[in-house]
Amino acid sequence: TQLLEQSPQFLSIQEGENLTVYCNSSSVFSSLQWYRQEPGEGPVLLVTVVTGGEVKKLKRLTFQFGDARKDSSLHITAAQPGDTGLYLCAGPSVSGGSYIPTFGRGTSLIVHP
Amino acid sequence: DTGVSQDPRHKITKRGQNVTFRCDPISEHNRLYWYRQTLGQGPEFLTYFQNEAQLEKSRLLSDRFSAERPKGSFSTLEIQRTEQGDSAMYLCASSWTVAGTEAFFGQGTRLTVV
Repeated sequence: TQLLEQSPQFLSIQEGENLTVYCNSSSVFSSLQWYRQEPGEGPVLLVTVVTGGEVKKLKRLTFQFGDARKDSSLHITAAQPGDTGLYLCAGPSVSGGSYIPTFGRGTSLIVHP
Repeated sequence: DTGVSQDPRHKITKRGQNVTFRCDPISEHNRLYWYRQTLGQGPEFLTYFQNEAQLEKSRLLSDRFSAERPKGSFSTLEIQRTEQGDSAMYLCASSWTVAGTEAFFGQGTRLTVV
């Protein structure tokens, strides 16, 4: 099983601050996904990164895939209370002869007004 | 299509009872996944279907857990003889195979076993 480790596990910041969360593995992934999950809801897909070194931007969120495709980061600029949630990274692992999304433990972010 | 739908959203049951959850995937998606999530953890994979075929069930937590997807449409997850340790959020997701592992989740069913 390819393990995805996320750090930090918890992050509590003030509105307006910048932050970066990380997703690391010892294995190479063909792609990685980032999701955000609000309390009591299911995860919502934010982005997929595929190419080593790739950078994708989604408004104030910047996603980067490592050159070796073993790690990824999510940077949030000028965080807002609406960014509060659990940020999950996921990558494909083999099960039943096909690939299934396998998740890290997540980074729980709280942005205080 | 309004996305993946799960029913019920919340379920409280007594220990030893059986429970069944339903998932309606996005209609054009041929793959359906079930996950379990406990507090402070990411979703833990349980089983998945491609159309009506269940391709992996060895990751179901015990023989008390079973899932079906008749005719490749909606799916059900049943837990027999529930235990307090079964209390968790049960998530369903669907995807289109050619999209790789991008998955679209329902809102989940929160199970509390008392």
